Amino acid sequence: DIQLTQSPSSLSASVGDRVTITCRASQGISTYLAWYQQKPGKAPKLLIYAASTLQNGVPSRFSGSGSGTEFTLTISSLQPEDFATYYCQQLNSPRFTFGPGTKVDIK
Amino acid sequence: QVQLVQSGAEVQKPGASVKVSCKASGYIFTGYYMHWVRQAPGQGLEWMGRINPNSGVTKYSEKFQGSVTMTRDTSVTTAYMELTRLTSDDTAVYYCARVFGGGWQQLGVGFDYWGQGTLVTVSS
Repeated sequence: DIQLTQSPSSLSASVGDRVTITCRASQGISTYLAWYQQKPGKAPKLLIYAASTLQNGVPSRFSGSGSGTEFTLTISSLQPEDFATYYCQQLNSPRFTFGPGTKVDIK
Repeated sequence: QVQLVQSGAEVQKPGASVKVSCKASGYIFTGYYMHWVRQAPGQGLEWMGRINPNSGVTKYSEKFQGSVTMTRDTSVTTAYMELTRLTSDDTAVYYCARVFGGGWQQLGVGFDYWGQGTLVTVSS
């Protein structure tokens, strides 16, 4: 199976900060990568697919980039509602996998 | 509107089985693969497998091979996930999720709709 790692595992930030989360794959996955946001007690929400395509309704402060083995999720100006855990997911093999998650909390 | 509505919380004893349902509405059920994902308390997301609702063909995570069975009933647009030989490690919230788009081998590009989750507690 393709393994995903995320860094950092957690971060503290303030409203208005620029936040970047990195996801690395154990082998090349082209751009078959998605990003999700999850808040406590809720199902995950799709933010970005195909590494850089914003899902309908997702604010433009979220962006994604990368291809191959290294990807980033960027929040250009953190808002109060963005404090959550973020997961990457690869969809480039018969068996999908998720990264371990990055928790973003309030500094 | 697309909805995935899952069955209610379950408490099961070790060694027992559990079957969770996921009722789909608002779209063509047979047109989208359905996936199952679980999340143990305080832990991350774990992909369990998928089913093609049109053909019934499944693909499971190697971790769950032999203990999970995914099925569907197209007459009631419902997907099911059965997990057998439960242990306390299977205590988790189980989600169904629809994948959309083309992607690698037309398997999809992201999970755009999720069920509300079903808490399965395994305890003696």
